[in-house]
Amino acid sequence: GGIITQTPKFLIGQEGQKLTLKCQQNFNHDTMYWYRQDSGKGLRLIYYSITENDLQKGDLSEGYDASREKKSSFSLTVTSAQKNEMAVFLCASSIEGTGGNTLYFGEGSRLIVV
Amino acid sequence: GDSVTQTEGQVALSEEDFLTIHCNYSASGYPTLFWYVQYPGEGPQLLFRASRDKEKGSSRGFEATYDKGTTSFHLRKASVQESDSAVYYCALSDRVGDNSKLIWGLGTSLVVNP
Repeated sequence: GGIITQTPKFLIGQEGQKLTLKCQQNFNHDTMYWYRQDSGKGLRLIYYSITENDLQKGDLSEGYDASREKKSSFSLTVTSAQKNEMAVFLCASSIEGTGGNTLYFGEGSRLIVV
Repeated sequence: GDSVTQTEGQVALSEEDFLTIHCNYSASGYPTLFWYVQYPGEGPQLLFRASRDKEKGSSRGFEATYDKGTTSFHLRKASVQESDSAVYYCALSDRVGDNSKLIWGLGTSLVVNP
């Protein structure tokens, strides 16, 4: 079996600060995803990547950047943290595109903006 | 566009109660339907999926039947336990193209009291 590791588990930053979340997977999956989870709003896709150096915008990409320098890692940057962005960010991976394939999630990273 | 509707935002039950969480979808063709479960402090994990009309998915005592006629995939369990307390997500995968987006319901928070 494999695992998805997200770091840090809690990320505390100030308003306006650039903050980066990291994700590593050892499934050898092609596609990786970043989701934002807000209570009562479900999961919203921020960015995904189908292979190394590929980036695709999701529904919520504004205010975020992403980077996929290696197949096993996918990072997400909040370009200017705002207090209304406090949420849990979930990284996931799958074998190929989302069409019918299982997503495997990390435990999440909670962003706290002070 | 495609959509998933979970009727219940929160459900509170006692142990051994019968559970139903309603999921209705809107999509063309035959999407793949999923139920994911998210336990506290963890990422979502696949409970089961179904891809064809009348197909039943099941796992850990939970089950749901793909019903194209009523466009539904309701989650049921005959006797819930406290350990079933979690957030349950219904999701839909559009089968057109490899990089289609997984469409999520807003989630249903289940609390089972001992």
